[in-house]
Amino acid sequence: GESVGLHLPTLSVQEGDNSIINCAYSNSASDYFIWYKQESGKGPQFIIDIRSNMDKRQGQRVTVLLNKTVKHLSLQIAATQPGDSAVYFCAENSGGSNYKLTFGKGTLLTVNP
Amino acid sequence: GAGVSQSPRYKVAKRGQDVALRCDPISGHVSLFWYQQALGQGPEFLTYFQNEAQLDKSGLPSDRFFAERPEGSVSTLKIQRTQQEDSAVYLCASSRQGFNEQYFGPGTRLTVT
Repeated sequence: GESVGLHLPTLSVQEGDNSIINCAYSNSASDYFIWYKQESGKGPQFIIDIRSNMDKRQGQRVTVLLNKTVKHLSLQIAATQPGDSAVYFCAENSGGSNYKLTFGKGTLLTVNP
Repeated sequence: GAGVSQSPRYKVAKRGQDVALRCDPISGHVSLFWYQQALGQGPEFLTYFQNEAQLDKSGLPSDRFFAERPEGSVSTLKIQRTQQEDSAVYLCASSRQGFNEQYFGPGTRLTVT
């Protein structure tokens, strides 16, 4: 298969470590943000979302942090597992749209056993 | 129940040929989206349907691209006179309403030679 990592930021971690993936979003009017996970040959899979009236939201092993001042979003994955290896995308609702998403470039996460 | 399905999974077309890509959304999902994903990039919005109505087609790259959803369920993305720059993965997604909990299909990889 092809390598999608050639042009992507990459993060390599050891199994069991915590991972932090960062994203800068573009539109200050966006008020809804989503993280997606995409494995090779598959479509993006929803992980967690957050609205702009929150700074932090936690899910199972994942936490999303939102800093509206600097338009920055991060995804923290606790106790990273080999199955977490994938490309991770942040997405924002374009300028406050109620249907249109703008995706970031993506980060390739590789978990070493 | 079944997720979003797309067919074909892979399509090779000679430059100038017309292609049709099919999307079967999750049953009962009102909203349907098409995205284009170039290698190493995030998905880019092409068009949005609510039931059978195409409410936004602003992301379609040219008038060679056409999408329809005549009965508010299955959708087809048609590309006429394909060009090499059309080579990409075409993703379909559906949701109950708007972009919330958007479920993606596996995509169709189009290669134009």
